[in-house]
Amino acid sequence: NAGVTQTPKFQVLKTGQSMTLQCAQDMNHNSMYWYRQDPGMGLRLIYYSASEGTTDKGEVPNGYNVSRLNKREFSLRLESAAPSQTSVYFCASSVRGPGGETQYFGPGTRLLVL
Amino acid sequence: GESVGLHLPTLSVQEGDNSIINCAYSNSASDYFIWYKQESGKGPQFIIDIRSNMDKRQGQRVTVLLNKTVKHLSLQIAATQPGDSAVYFCASRGGSARQLTFGSGTQLTVLP
Repeated sequence: NAGVTQTPKFQVLKTGQSMTLQCAQDMNHNSMYWYRQDPGMGLRLIYYSASEGTTDKGEVPNGYNVSRLNKREFSLRLESAAPSQTSVYFCASSVRGPGGETQYFGPGTRLLVL
Repeated sequence: GESVGLHLPTLSVQEGDNSIINCAYSNSASDYFIWYKQESGKGPQFIIDIRSNMDKRQGQRVTVLLNKTVKHLSLQIAATQPGDSAVYFCASRGGSARQLTFGSGTQLTVLP
């Protein structure tokens, strides 16, 4: 199993450009998430999808849109990139275990907006 | 809102010593807690979790302790090794909310 995969690994955008970050998981998890990670801060939830066909806003959704294409794939779109969106973006998927819902993360996409 | 914080942003330990990383949470309704390890340039990796009905849980070389009275969580790493050098995050889930709230992380450095 590859787990959670993300593409691209790195991206440089100019202000106002658009792009889509791709995420896929092969663990048959129902729930998927998009986070951003900024220096000195914890992971902040952008959007999540509890199951195929549903999406919900997280803590910092402004400037982003998501699509849960199918059970495996959850994409994050920046329609008009801004320098404030320079960050590392992580996708995660989760499974409910004996203790709770454990999230597993992808390797991240490093985005620089100039 | 809920916040999750770590007591120290950096921690240095000698190889072979035990490490203790601390975390405080604010939501008394939090019922599930996770520790993650993040190596440079990689995504967070699950280490161990604990539910609020437990005080202690052990894994391989790691132990998580939960003190609900003071809303404090700790991660103990036994016989710390160079490969343990990373940033460690705690995260909590508040009651019925699905979302996890993450702390900002502690950078653990293992000295030779």
